[in-house]
Amino acid sequence: TQLLEQSPQFLSIQEGENLTVYCNSSSVFSSLQWYRQEPGEGPVLLVTVVTGGEVKKLKRLTFQFGDARKDSSLHITAAQPGDTGLYLCAGAEGDKIIFGKGTRLHILP
Amino acid sequence: DTAVSQTPKYLVTQMGNDKSIKCEQNLGHDTMYWYKQDSKKFLKIMFSYNNKELIINETVPNRFSPKSPDKAHLNLHINSLELGDSAVYFCASSQTTGSGNTIYFGEGSWLTVV
Repeated sequence: TQLLEQSPQFLSIQEGENLTVYCNSSSVFSSLQWYRQEPGEGPVLLVTVVTGGEVKKLKRLTFQFGDARKDSSLHITAAQPGDTGLYLCAGAEGDKIIFGKGTRLHILP
Repeated sequence: DTAVSQTPKYLVTQMGNDKSIKCEQNLGHDTMYWYKQDSKKFLKIMFSYNNKELIINETVPNRFSPKSPDKAHLNLHINSLELGDSAVYFCASSQTTGSGNTIYFGEGSWLTVV
């Protein structure tokens, strides 16, 4: 079974700061996804990365897929309180989409 | 319009009871899932159905029985509820199975067993 390790588990920073969270595996994935989950709701897809080395930007969020397709990072520039939530990475293991344990991000105003 | 809807949103019940959670998706997707999210927010797949056929059954106790009457519906029945079953249960769907598919989640059903 492939595992996705996310770090850090928790992160609390001030509004305006930059941050990076990581998703790592010892296995190769054909694609990785990042989801954000807000309290009381289900996860919502932010991005899918497919090609090794690929970089995708979503406003202040930058996603990168590692060259070897075993890891991914999410960088947030000038974090805002609205970025608060649980960030989950996910990868496919055959027909199954597995999730990391998430990074709980709290942006302080 | 809600894409993936599940009911009830909140459920408090006693140990030993039997309960069901219903799920419907109006996205025309072929694949539906049940995920369990524990108190530490770990989201773990329980079941997956593709066109009404069970394709994934993760070592879930036999007390949990999914049913898919058609590809737009996937219900979850739980017998003899235990304290450890308390969690948030998410129904989800995707166009097909496998890599790269976007998973659309419902809002979750918060089950508390007392």
